[in-house]
Amino acid sequence: AQSVSQHNHHVILSEAASLELGCNYSYGGTVNLFWYVQYPGQHLQLLLKYFSGDPLVKGIKGFEAEFIKSKFSFNLRKPSVQWSDTAEYFCAVNARGNNRLAFGKGNQVVVIP
Amino acid sequence: EAGVAQSPRYKIIEKRQSVAFWCNPISGHATLYWYQQILGQGPKLLIQFQNNGVVDDSQLPKDRFSAERLKGVDSTLKIQPAKLEDSAVYLCASSPPGGEAEAFFGQGTRLTVV
Repeated sequence: AQSVSQHNHHVILSEAASLELGCNYSYGGTVNLFWYVQYPGQHLQLLLKYFSGDPLVKGIKGFEAEFIKSKFSFNLRKPSVQWSDTAEYFCAVNARGNNRLAFGKGNQVVVIP
Repeated sequence: EAGVAQSPRYKIIEKRQSVAFWCNPISGHATLYWYQQILGQGPKLLIQFQNNGVVDDSQLPKDRFSAERLKGVDSTLKIQPAKLEDSAVYLCASSPPGGEAEAFFGQGTRLTVV
């Protein structure tokens, strides 16, 4: 079964700072990778996804993530955060051909104006 | 496009009582999931349906949890009897047919067992 690790559960940073959230997974086969975001009071929504092709994936709101197969990682980045990026961010993975998602514990990100 | 609908949004019950949650997926989505999200953790899959058949219920505590998806559309998740450790947000998600597809989530039902 797949498992996902996210570190630094709580992140506090100022507006315009850069953000990087780490995600590592364990699974020996081919995977699909996702970052979901949950804004306060809202439902989980997809930020970006990687299925195949270019390992650098661009998502909504200026976020991007890079799949590094050799490191089993899919780190999320944003060069300059805004107050509206305050949210909880979840990395998730599923095995190719199986839609069952395994989630990490999430990163609670607070951006201070 | 209408999203995944869930009700109720909040529920408070006493331990040993029963409770049921309802989910209406996005129209045309063949796959439906129920996840449990305990505070401070990521969502954990409880059960996955493909149309009205169960694909994966390996992490569903079957002694107290049950779920059904009659007619392959709406779904109900039931807990009977509830325990204190069942306090969590119960998320429903759906995804369209086809190979690689993202899951779309509802707002969840926050259950508190006292």
